[in-house]
Amino acid sequence: EAQLLESGGDLVQPGGSLRLSCAASGFSFSNYAMSWVRQAPGKGLEWVSAIRGSGDTTYYADSVKGRLFISRDNIENTLYLQMNSLRADDTALYYCAKEPVENPGWYFDLWGRGTLVTVSS
Amino acid sequence: SYMLTQPPSVSVAPGKTATITCGGNNIGSTSVHWYQQKPGLAPVLVIYFDTDRPSGVPERFSASNFGNTATLTISSVEAGDEADYYCQVWDSSRDHRGVFGGGTRLTV
Repeated sequence: EAQLLESGGDLVQPGGSLRLSCAASGFSFSNYAMSWVRQAPGKGLEWVSAIRGSGDTTYYADSVKGRLFISRDNIENTLYLQMNSLRADDTALYYCAKEPVENPGWYFDLWGRGTLVTVSS
Repeated sequence: SYMLTQPPSVSVAPGKTATITCGGNNIGSTSVHWYQQKPGLAPVLVIYFDTDRPSGVPERFSASNFGNTATLTISSVEAGDEADYYCQVWDSSRDHRGVFGGGTRLTV
């Protein structure tokens, strides 16, 4: 069964850093584009970043560009989100999500359960 | 940047038909996908490429996309359909990025 399991969420001070991980299993990880999607408490979904299956192309929302960085390890079947210069408005539940194709631009057919990032002093 | 507009809430009686709209500039020229999110759970894909249903999604769920509005229709609504629904597209006009609508809370 295909699964995604996020980890790494924590309470962090403004300006701090954090790295999220998403462990994939049950499918050929390197064949599929992956994204991070976040949801602030009581709010809607916000797409954050996407990466091509090969890992050589990345895309970012304007709100995170230059502060958050997506990457993947196709040997370890893991997706990452390096989060730097964190702000209060980065507080959210962070989901990793899979697309059914290698290049980002379709839909998300598999989601993890999310990991919570709280930015507060 | 491209924006999608959804009504914050829709209410419907059990057994009736619910209609949830997703507005965007010339949205009919792109593919729209729909997700259902129940409280405390991750989103689940219910419609992809405007009208297609993943396996396991009831035929009661249907959708259309034309002009400036995409529409998700749920017929014979059940209590278990109560959830938040989000539309989603990819915006490649300026840079390649995902876009979600603000979400619609369906109350049954």
